[in-house]
Amino acid sequence: GAVVSQHPSRVICKSGTSVKIECRSLDFQATTMFWYRQFPKQSLMLMATSNEGSKATYEQGVEKDKFLINHASLTLSTLTVTSAHPEDSSFYICSADNQGLSQETQYFGPGTRLLVL
Amino acid sequence: GNSVTQMEGPVTLSEEAFLTINCTYTATGYPSLFWYVQYPGEGLQLLLKATKADDKGSNKGFEATYRKETTSFHLEKGSVQVSDSAVYFCALATGGFKTIFGAGTRLFVKA
Repeated sequence: GAVVSQHPSRVICKSGTSVKIECRSLDFQATTMFWYRQFPKQSLMLMATSNEGSKATYEQGVEKDKFLINHASLTLSTLTVTSAHPEDSSFYICSADNQGLSQETQYFGPGTRLLVL
Repeated sequence: GNSVTQMEGPVTLSEEAFLTINCTYTATGYPSLFWYVQYPGEGLQLLLKATKADDKGSNKGFEATYRKETTSFHLEKGSVQVSDSAVYFCALATGGFKTIFGAGTRLFVKA
């Protein structure tokens, strides 16, 4: 099956620092990856759609300068939370499509829990 | 806009009990509907899906039927096991991969 990994799984940082989260598709190539944010006991909210070799498409209300996304290869997308603040503390989840297997099916990473002090 | 509403949890059941987790949706057009499951410490996994009205998705004893008239996609299982304890997310997608999720329902199954 298709496997997506995220690194790190958990990160604690000081306010004002930047944090990079990696999302990798391990056994398939992903033209499109997605970044979600999940607050406790709430839905996953789509932040942005990341396309290999082009700029990410951000959802309304998501600050593109705050959440930098780079999709440099077909197996790696990164999300950088710049100048993180406590309100950025959340669970960040990525997913990747694998059109070779099935359309409209996404494969999710295990998530990264960010705590900003 | 599009949205998904699912029953609040947690749901606590004894082993071999019948499970229903309600899910209703609001969408323009004809969405595909999904149930995802998240086991403790793991990522979301696709459990089942249905792409058009009256389709029934099924997997691992779980099933859900796409009901256009009631805009629902309720998840059911006849006999739950302890290993089914997880968080279940109902979701819809319209056009490609953009997916909208419900809030998730946590299921606890007691031995």
